[in-house]
Amino acid sequence: AQSVAQPEDQVNVAEGNPLTVKCTYSVSGNPYLFWYVQYPNRGLQFLLKYITGDNLVKGSYGFEAEFNKSQTSFHLKKPSALVSDSALYFCAVRPHYGGATNKLIFGTGTLLAVQP
Amino acid sequence: EAQVTQNPRYLITVTGKKLTVTCSQNMNHEYMSWYRQDPGLGLRQIYYSMNVEVTDKGDVPEGYKVSRKEKRNFPLILESPSPNQTSLYFCASSLKWQGEDFRNTQYFGPGTRLTVL
Repeated sequence: AQSVAQPEDQVNVAEGNPLTVKCTYSVSGNPYLFWYVQYPNRGLQFLLKYITGDNLVKGSYGFEAEFNKSQTSFHLKKPSALVSDSALYFCAVRPHYGGATNKLIFGTGTLLAVQP
Repeated sequence: EAQVTQNPRYLITVTGKKLTVTCSQNMNHEYMSWYRQDPGLGLRQIYYSMNVEVTDKGDVPEGYKVSRKEKRNFPLILESPSPNQTSLYFCASSLKWQGEDFRNTQYFGPGTRLTVL
């Protein structure tokens, strides 16, 4: 079955330190990979995506993610965390279904808590 | 401002009372979709629409209906809500797919928190 795993329910990091939010996937073919962020009482906001090309993708708010095909991972990173980065982060994959659903498969989310 | 809007944002209702959650986008997107978000399960697709008058089931369609009479609107209908439909609902839209190219980013609305008593 095609799936996305976010192994950590919560990640705690001190402000100014680097952060990593992990994501691994299991899909057939070459996937399209996305990261979304959800702030309290807000909708999902698109951060970045990997489609093809350079494995390091840069997105909004200083975030970046590295696609690793051999490890089937797409970890989200930021060199220096801010308190305002505290939110719920979702990894999602759009596999090649051969169909037209355009469905995204989401992970269960990782709560990032940045302490001052 | 380009956006996806949903109404209402919060709704408390009782079992069996029909309700509709509206979704509208102003980006001229052909593709629209509904997801529900539940703790520990992430987001799961309910229904989607490739264009006007073209809709199909996602992974969890039971108990829901949709319609797509206009390009910008994609309402979610619960004919007889039940407590297991208590959830956070998101509408999303993106540009039209072309063949196998599903690269277009999906943009999400702010969510509708539904409680069915």
